[in-house]
Amino acid sequence: GDSVTQMEGPVTLSEEAFLTINCTYTATGYPSLFWYVQYPGEGLQLLLKATKADDKGSNKGFEATYRKETTSFHLEKGSVQVSDSAVYFCALSDDSNYQLIWGAGTKLIIKP
Amino acid sequence: DAGITQSPRHKVTETGTPVTLRCHQTENHRYMYWYRQDPGHGLRLIHYSYGVKDTDKGEVSDGYSVSRSKTEDFLLTLESATSSQTSVYFCAIQDTNSYEQYFGPGTRLTVT
Repeated sequence: GDSVTQMEGPVTLSEEAFLTINCTYTATGYPSLFWYVQYPGEGLQLLLKATKADDKGSNKGFEATYRKETTSFHLEKGSVQVSDSAVYFCALSDDSNYQLIWGAGTKLIIKP
Repeated sequence: DAGITQSPRHKVTETGTPVTLRCHQTENHRYMYWYRQDPGHGLRLIHYSYGVKDTDKGEVSDGYSVSRSKTEDFLLTLESATSSQTSVYFCAIQDTNSYEQYFGPGTRLTVT
């Protein structure tokens, strides 16, 4: 079945560092891909998405490109801030049953 | 922000008692979901609904039941709570066309 694999955390960076959180997927169809963010004590929020190969999603300085050839959707940000500390989830759409398939989440810690 | 609320936000209950969590949306979305989130397990789908009185099981449905008598409300019931059901429960709604899911703020349930 379809699946999503994220890099394990926590990922600890200093402020202004470059961020990459890896996400790879397996899927039989043509799913949409998503990144969600969860701040402490809150629900998940949609961060960005891409609906087809080579699309780039972007929001709040984060971006990710839908790479079909490498089945990846890595999240990047050029200069992280302490306020970016959160858990990040990668997900893909399962067109067969209107569900999202979730990665395990990656905790990001940014130190000042 | 998507109009989705959960109640209660926090609950402590004793083993063996019934518990009902409520999810309410103002967006008129057809699809609604209940997840639980536990350390080391990410998000796990409990049940979902694809319309009034139309529900189906997710990957961790044992010990849980759901009901949806109105489009706006999706109830999750623990018939006889156990300590293993101590968790944070999230409700989500989904846009059918885009697969974007929007989450409520969560309910922290403790079973003693």
